[in-house]
Amino acid sequence: KNQVEQSPQSLIILEGKNCTLQCNYTVSPFSNLRWYKQDTGRGPVSLTIMTFSENTKSNGRYTATLDADTKQSSLHITASQLSDSASYICVVSTLSGGGADGLTFGKGTHLIIQP
Amino acid sequence: GAGVSQSPRYKVAKRGQDVALRCDPISGHVSLFWYQQALGQGPEFLTYFQNEAQLDKSGLPSDRFFAERPEGSVSTLKIQRTQQEDSAVYLCASSLLRGSNEQFFGPGTRLTVL
Repeated sequence: KNQVEQSPQSLIILEGKNCTLQCNYTVSPFSNLRWYKQDTGRGPVSLTIMTFSENTKSNGRYTATLDADTKQSSLHITASQLSDSASYICVVSTLSGGGADGLTFGKGTHLIIQP
Repeated sequence: GAGVSQSPRYKVAKRGQDVALRCDPISGHVSLFWYQQALGQGPEFLTYFQNEAQLDKSGLPSDRFFAERPEGSVSTLKIQRTQQEDSAVYLCASSLLRGSNEQFFGPGTRLTVL
């Protein structure tokens, strides 16, 4: 069964500090991996997308990595800001499609930035 | 509009009531998806439309859930005889083409069943 596991479940850090969120997956066949940011009361918004051949991708202070061999991804946030407080969801896509467009969602990491 | 919109944003229902949740996808987007998101969880797939055709409804939890997209644009998710376990955020997403994977999400409707 395709699964996406994220850790930690929740994280609290001080403003200005860095943090790294983890995502492990068992989705096969793999197509791409996307990190979403979901602010409270809003829908998820895509931050990065990586295919099999990419092992790092940056979007401002967000840097995602992908190790397709170990089926692991991380999202690193640099110099955190209060506005980074949100849930971060890892979503892995399979080539086989399916009703959900072959997407398997993780449960998310709830990040809180404290001033 | 520029993004996916959903209404109402919040809905409180008494157990046993019927509710209807609306989704306006991005204009021109062929694919439309409904998800259910429980508190502290990731979105769980409910159903998928390609234009007006409902191609997959395997995620609908029971026959009390019904979705339609009669003209291939606006979609409605209806829940009959609501129960407390139906309380969740219902997210709608649309994408330009099936298989593009670039899904754009609406803000969701938070349903609370008392």
